Amino acid sequence: EVQLVESGGGLVQPGGSLRLSCAASGFIFSSHWMHWVRQAPGEGLVWVSGINNPGSSPYYADSVKGRFTISRDNAKNTLYLQMNSLSAEDTAIYYCARGLYENYFDPWGQGTLVTVSS
Amino acid sequence: EIVLTQSPATLSLSPGERATLSCRASQSVSSYLAWYQQKPGQAPRLLIYAASNRATGIPARFSGSGSGTDFTLTISSLEPEDFAVYYCQQRRSWPLTFGGGTNVEVK
Repeated sequence: EVQLVESGGGLVQPGGSLRLSCAASGFIFSSHWMHWVRQAPGEGLVWVSGINNPGSSPYYADSVKGRFTISRDNAKNTLYLQMNSLSAEDTAIYYCARGLYENYFDPWGQGTLVTVSS
Repeated sequence: EIVLTQSPATLSLSPGERATLSCRASQSVSSYLAWYQQKPGQAPRLLIYAASNRATGIPARFSGSGSGTDFTLTISSLEPEDFAVYYCQQRRSWPLTFGGGTNVEVK
């Protein structure tokens, strides 16, 4: 069974940092693009970042470019999102998702909540 | 950035009725469009990819059509478990974008 399990969310002060992880199992991790998508409370879905199979080409939404860094460890079957200079606007559930045909999202993890507040 | 506009924002229907959801792109996305379903408290689930291909395990009552800038998700006969929010998403160009969603609610 394909599984994606996010961790690392929590409460952080404005200007702070957080590192999210997504542990993958049940498929050949190194064969798939991976993505982060977020959803602010009561709002819609917003793509945040994606990375290709070997991890050599990251892509970012403009809203996080220069602050967030996506990476992956194919030996550990794990995807990461390093988030710096966090603001209240970054408060959301962060989902990791496997890329289907690269850039559709299937499946999704259960999400991890990031709250930026003083 | 390609903007996806979904309509209507809310669709009020009864079980057994047909649901027709629209997604319009600000520029052509060819057939690089997907549809997702999200229920309260759950992660989204892929329904349709490449405009008209059902994802694994998705019932046949869900169908997608369209190309270019205009797309439709049709649920032929609503089951109780189909009342949810539906999002479209394009993978034609970066950044990847979603529509604002259509809430299919019980009338």
